[in-house]
Amino acid sequence: AQTVTQSQPEMSVQEAETVTLSCTYDTSESDYYLFWYKQPPSRQMILVIRQEAYKQQNATENRFSVNFQKAAKSFSLKISDSQLGDAAMYFCAYRTQYNQGGKLIFGQGTELSVKP
Amino acid sequence: DGGITQSPKYLFRKEGQNVTLSCEQNLNHDAMYWYRQDPGQGLRLIYYSQIVNDFQKGDIAEGYSVSREKKESFPLTVTSAQKNPTAFYLCASSSGTGGLRETQYFGPGTRLLVL
Repeated sequence: AQTVTQSQPEMSVQEAETVTLSCTYDTSESDYYLFWYKQPPSRQMILVIRQEAYKQQNATENRFSVNFQKAAKSFSLKISDSQLGDAAMYFCAYRTQYNQGGKLIFGQGTELSVKP
Repeated sequence: DGGITQSPKYLFRKEGQNVTLSCEQNLNHDAMYWYRQDPGQGLRLIYYSQIVNDFQKGDIAEGYSVSREKKESFPLTVTSAQKNPTAFYLCASSSGTGGLRETQYFGPGTRLLVL
């Protein structure tokens, strides 16, 4: 069974600085999908960025980028120019490409605080 | 506006009582999901449905039941058999077409508390 691990329960960053959140996963599959979701205090889950495992190029969405290391089974999220609105719980998630209903397997989450 | 609605926002359950959480989507999505979130943990899948009149158990289905009679609706019942129901419940939906673009979109959630 696949598992996702986020080893940093809490992280803190100064406004305008850069922070990296770690995520590792375990799978025997060769192709799959990886996601980062943000959950602000409102508790609404919001998709931040997504990556398909067979693509070598790291995904980027504005200030958010990933460092995908397939061999190491690592999928870290980098937030550049951190803003106060980035403060939230961040979840890493895995989805198999095979037909298991598209279910997501989530890590435990990293709570990010942004200091002004 | 397209989206997912969940109601109620807060729900209180008495011992031995069944309660139903509502989830409605107007995104024309085929697939719908229910997740449970406990403090300090990530989301765990309770049930999912890929098409109307069909649903599958997730990782923690015991004590829960669902129905999918309409494409836009996927209610979750927390039965009296669920001994520790206090949690935050999130409903999600996706197109069901597969691939990277099949993103799951989430509703605002329901917090269930036991009296």
